[in-house]
This record gives sequence, C-alpha cells and structure tokens, in this order.
Amino acid sequence: GAVVSQHPSWVICKSGTSVKIECRSLDFQATTMFWYRQFPKQSLMLMATSNEGSKATYEQGVEKDKFLINHASLTLSTLTVTSAHPEDSSFYICSAMLRDTNIHFGNGTRLTVT
Amino acid sequence: GQNIDQPTEMTATEGAIVQINCTYQTSGFNGLFWYQQHAGEAPTFLSYNVLDGLEEKGRFSSFLSRSKGYSYLLLKELQMKDSASYLCAAMDSNYQLIWGAGTKLIIKP
Repeated sequence: GAVVSQHPSWVICKSGTSVKIECRSLDFQATTMFWYRQFPKQSLMLMATSNEGSKATYEQGVEKDKFLINHASLTLSTLTVTSAHPEDSSFYICSAMLRDTNIHFGNGTRLTVT
Repeated sequence: GQNIDQPTEMTATEGAIVQINCTYQTSGFNGLFWYQQHAGEAPTFLSYNVLDGLEEKGRFSSFLSRSKGYSYLLLKELQMKDSASYLCAAMDSNYQLIWGAGTKLIIKP
C-alpha cells in the first residue's frame, strides 16, 4: 500500500536554530501534501497545504516566514522550522494525497526545542 | 463556519459494540474520514466515505448521510487494543481537512 515516510522521527535542537523535516511519498506521486501540528491533548491542526511546484497555502495564524514549506517534487515536501523556540516544541505530521483523494499520513516528528 | 462535532470520550466493554457519531458542517464536501490515533503516534487511516451508506471493513464500519451532515464509526467485537482516540475529519471543497477534536474510547475488560 501507499507509504509516506517522515524524517526524522524525533529531533532535539537548541533555541534559535533551524530544523528541517522531510516528508516523502515512497510509492506514489503526491500532488498535494499537508502539514499538521498537534499540541498535547488536542487534535491535529492544519498548518499549510503544499502543492507541487507552487507556494504553500498557510492557515490563518501560521507564520509563513517561520514555518518554511517547500514542495519541490511530487514525492518530497519539507517543513523547516526557523529560529526555533521552546514554544515550537510539538508533534509535526505530514500527509500526502493521491489523486483519488485518499490521504496517507507520515509517522510524525517530535520536535523538542531546549 | 466549518465545524466538526464528536463526543469527547466514550467507554465500552471488551467484546461489545460501540458507535462513535460525528456531525459536520463544511464549505463543500469531498468526503468524510475516520482515523484511529494511539497516544504519541500519528493517526492511522480507517475509512473514507463520500457516498451515502454503510461501508464495512472487518470489525469496523463507517456510515455517511450527506443530507444530515452525519457520520458514524461502528466498532464491533471490541478488543483492548481498540482503546484509542478516533478522529473524524471532513474534506471541504478546497480539499482541506476539517478535524474534530477526537473521541477518546476507553475499553474495559
């Protein structure tokens, strides 16, 4: 079946540094990838929608200059958390959509900013 | 506005049947998803309904009524490993997923 690989699965970084998270669709071409963030005891919150070859569409309240999203190919999207701060510590999850609207999720990345 | 409602928590007994309801209001509609999420893990896809009716997949079934903006997830022969949060999400006309807060399902022996 379709698989979405997200890397790294966990990362610890110092405040002020940047972290890049990769999301790959391994056996299908994903025209659209979604990035979510999950706060403790809350449901997933959509951060942005990434379409291959175009700029990502960010949800209201999400800083586009802080959360840089690049979708350079049909199998890869990246989320870069720039100048990370402790409040950015969270669980970040990507998903990729097939043309028939089936959506598959990555395993998530737990980011801890110290 | 767009909104998804589902119960916060439900409790059921091992071996029994439980139904988790979800009502939605979205701008356009491109399907209703159910996901299972264990603590600390990413959600796992369970079902996708875009047409009215019941879709059965093993112990899990999902129902959709577009006219009522209503869906439910039915879990049969409950097992302890079914203890998890169950997320309902509706896809709007822009292919955005509108998520519910999730229903925490507690299974008791």
